[in-house]
Amino acid sequence: DTGVSQDPRHKITKRGQNVTFRCDPISEHNRLYWYRQTLGQGPEFLTYFQNEAQLEKSRLLSDRFSAERPKGSFSTLEIQRTEQGDSAMYLCASSRDPQGTEQYFGPGTRLTVT
Amino acid sequence: AQSVSQHNHHVILSEAASLELGCNYSYGGTVNLFWYVQYPGQHLQLLLKYFSGDPLVKGIKGFEAEFIKSKFSFNLRKPSVQWSDTAEYFCAVITILTGGGNKLTFGTGTQLKVEL
Repeated sequence: DTGVSQDPRHKITKRGQNVTFRCDPISEHNRLYWYRQTLGQGPEFLTYFQNEAQLEKSRLLSDRFSAERPKGSFSTLEIQRTEQGDSAMYLCASSRDPQGTEQYFGPGTRLTVT
Repeated sequence: AQSVSQHNHHVILSEAASLELGCNYSYGGTVNLFWYVQYPGQHLQLLLKYFSGDPLVKGIKGFEAEFIKSKFSFNLRKPSVQWSDTAEYFCAVITILTGGGNKLTFGTGTQLKVEL
């Protein structure tokens, strides 16, 4: 396993711009998760994919956020019209076993909105 | 909704001291509990997990945790910490989602600093 990878690792953008992050899960992991972590807090769940289907979205995921996993492999998370409150670490995780209980995390993408 | 709370936000210990980090969960039914660790500059890694069975769970790097149902607790312990244990520690509980997946609900984390 090469681990979960995320790109970019850091992103600085101006308020109002759109940004897109990519996550490549561990190969053959059919479950993929996005979390957001702000300073002094634990990660918070955003959304979950089983293969290409997005099965759960948190209320934290406003209309400006959209996530895709078109072929059931990598996933993208797009934020439109970024706001300063979007500044956070965006984490991706994947899992394989039937219960999906053990999640493997990527290094995260740190977003700074100026 | 299930939640966990970690009451120690910052802990400073000397090497060889014993460690206990508190974690309390809110749900009274069946719970699956985890401890994750994040070393400086690294990604979150699983330390140990509890699903059922023996309430004393052994993890990596000499860590263990005890599930005490009557106290709604899942405290993390290590008899003798090392400088390399300096990291942030997160307790988490699972919520089962539609379609068989799950989400982790994390506590706010405990920043541990081990001094030489």
